[in-house]
Amino acid sequence: KAGVTQTPRYLIKTRGQQVTLSCSPISGHRSVSWYQQTPGQGLQFLFEYFSETQRNKGNFPGRFSGRQFSNSRSEMNVSTLELGDSALYLCASSLEPLAALHFGNGTRLTVT
Amino acid sequence: GIQVEQSPPDLILQEGANSTLRCNFSDSVNNLQWFHQNPWGQLINLFYIPSGTKQNGRLSATTVATERYSLLYISSSQTTDSGVYFCAVERNNNDMRFGAGTRLTVKP
Repeated sequence: KAGVTQTPRYLIKTRGQQVTLSCSPISGHRSVSWYQQTPGQGLQFLFEYFSETQRNKGNFPGRFSGRQFSNSRSEMNVSTLELGDSALYLCASSLEPLAALHFGNGTRLTVT
Repeated sequence: GIQVEQSPPDLILQEGANSTLRCNFSDSVNNLQWFHQNPWGQLINLFYIPSGTKQNGRLSATTVATERYSLLYISSSQTTDSGVYFCAVERNNNDMRFGAGTRLTVKP
């Protein structure tokens, strides 16, 4: 069974631009969650989607948004990029909320 | 929100040694998981263990929910065990909170 796939692996953007990251969950998993990892703040929850509905949202500004499609694939978007948005963005999928999380390899975003 | 504290922050072992990593949390939880992040950044789920004890090879974990802590045991450590170990908890269907991690270095 294929694991969680995140694209792209690496991304370099300029301040003020926007970016869209993609996540394909493990087949059969209906819950997808997103996390930001930085050396200073560690792993922080961004949002969780289940059956195309946002279940939870972390403490991030409105520039961070996401969505889930009917095939459970998810995207997250960051608008008006800031230098502080440079991070490793991780997506995880699970069969359902509160179940075991399985992470993708992440997208490393660098904002210059 | 719920606080998650992991100890020790850093641990250096010789290959073959055993170790215990601890995760304390500030409130009752209905979801607790342990992860290993390897040097390449990949996060691997080790245990889904909101309560009780589980074992998987050289690794085992125990969560005492009533006392708000969980322990991860690594026996006969190998160099491939190096990396950062994270504990994550969730309470009442809120967001998943991660601890700061324990960085383990296993020397040959």
